[in-house]
Amino acid sequence: SYELTQPPSVSVSPGQTARITCSGDALPKYAYWYQQKPGQAPVLVIYKDNERPSGIPERFSGSRSGPTVTLTISPVQAEDEADYYCQSGYRSATFYVFGTGTKVTVL
Amino acid sequence: QVQLVESGGGVVQPGRSLRLSCAASGFTFSNFGMHWVRQAPGKGLEWVTVISYDGNNQYYADSVKGRFTISRDNSKNTLYLQMNNLRAEDTAVYYCAKQGYGDLSFDYWGQGTLVTVSS
Repeated sequence: SYELTQPPSVSVSPGQTARITCSGDALPKYAYWYQQKPGQAPVLVIYKDNERPSGIPERFSGSRSGPTVTLTISPVQAEDEADYYCQSGYRSATFYVFGTGTKVTVL
Repeated sequence: QVQLVESGGGVVQPGRSLRLSCAASGFTFSNFGMHWVRQAPGKGLEWVTVISYDGNNQYYADSVKGRFTISRDNSKNTLYLQMNNLRAEDTAVYYCAKQGYGDLSFDYWGQGTLVTVSS
C-alpha cells in the first residue's frame, strides 16, 4: 500500500515560517496540498508540487527534494491555523492517497 | 462559480444502504473526473472512489470495493455514490470533489454530508 507521512503538528509564531514535510516510498511525479479549517471542506493551496491556484496568497509555496515535498508558509498569519494534507495519485490515476495530516498552530 | 452540493446523508443501521448525490454547477460537468472523499470524525482525509468524465471508468479504495458504486448522470450534472452493506467504520463526512484540469488534484470540494452508521 502507499503511504504519505507528515508530522502530526507544527507550531509557529506569527510572522515566522512554517514548513510541513510529506514523504513516501514512491512519491509520484506531482504532489498537492490542502488546507482544512475546522468544520470546513478542504481547499487546494498548492498543485503540481509548487503551483498556486488563483486566490491563494503568495505566502504559500511548495517544493520537492527527492522523496520529500514541503509546504512552506511564510510569513505565517493567525488565519493560517488549520490542518494541512498532502496528496498524490498512483497507478496511472486509478488510486489516490492523502498524507496523514499536520495541524499547524499559530502561537 | 463552481458549486458542488452533496445530499443524502443521515443515520443508517449496519448492513443497510444509502445513496449520496452531488449536484454540480458552474463548470462543464461532463468534462471532468469526479471523486468522493470521506473523513471520519476527528480523523484525516480518505479517498474513496473516482469516476471518469464519461462514466466509463471507476476506481475504488480497497476499503469500499465491492460495497460502494460511483456513477454520474451528465445530463443532470449529478454525481452519485451508492453505499451498500454499510459498516460502523463507514461513518464519516462524505465530500464530492472535482478533479483538477490536467492534473490529479481535487480543485473544488462540496461542503460534505454526514453519514452515520449505527444501530
